Amino acid sequence: QSVLTQPTSVSGTPGQRVTISCSGSSSNIGINTVNWFQHLPGTAPRLLIYNNHQRPAGVPERFSGSKSGASASLAISGLQSEDEAEYYCAAWDDSLNGSVLFGGGTKLTVL
Amino acid sequence: QVQLVESGGGVIQPGKSLRLSCAASGFTLSSYAMHWVRQAPGKGLEWVAAISYDGSKEYYGDSVKGRFTVSRDNSRNTLYLEMNSPRPEDTALYYCARDPGGIVGATPPSGHWGQGTLVTVSS
Repeated sequence: QSVLTQPTSVSGTPGQRVTISCSGSSSNIGINTVNWFQHLPGTAPRLLIYNNHQRPAGVPERFSGSKSGASASLAISGLQSEDEAEYYCAAWDDSLNGSVLFGGGTKLTVL
Repeated sequence: QVQLVESGGGVIQPGKSLRLSCAASGFTLSSYAMHWVRQAPGKGLEWVAAISYDGSKEYYGDSVKGRFTVSRDNSRNTLYLEMNSPRPEDTALYYCARDPGGIVGATPPSGHWGQGTLVTVSS
């Protein structure tokens, strides 16, 4: 099973806007929804975006998600120091017997 | 509120067996499919297994297929992961997570996760 492809790292200064990409294929992102998680090691991952672009209650509007074809993106505007974390995309993959795929993770550094 | 609490982790020798548990509260477990996800030291999140709301269907990642078994006891509000013939590369923090619905497929885990239980496979 292959992972979804994310950049290893991104960085930005406070107040900036950054985007994180997630590239998949026709058997996963191309036909299924994408979730985005924020994760600090040793803690429970936090759901930021579900169904490609929807935000759970309590997630700031600074976080937004989009999907086009077999790729998805997470955008974070008005970058804050507390946004420094690892970010993962996830989607169901319909190939073979079916599975959940996670991206390899993107480390966001706030400079 | 929704709460998921994993337990059963520890140090285990390669080839032995270990059963992880995930106690659910604050919602009706029998209405939801459930997932196990792990994170090895220094690595990213890896999906391990999933089970439908009634336990009738199970799904596994390639790295654990044939060695791990996911099960559930809805009457006890508990999810399980039986780890057979574990390998050093199975060393990880294991999380249970709730699916948005009762049937596995089309969607990844939702926003409800436990804090994880650490499994170390070492002789």
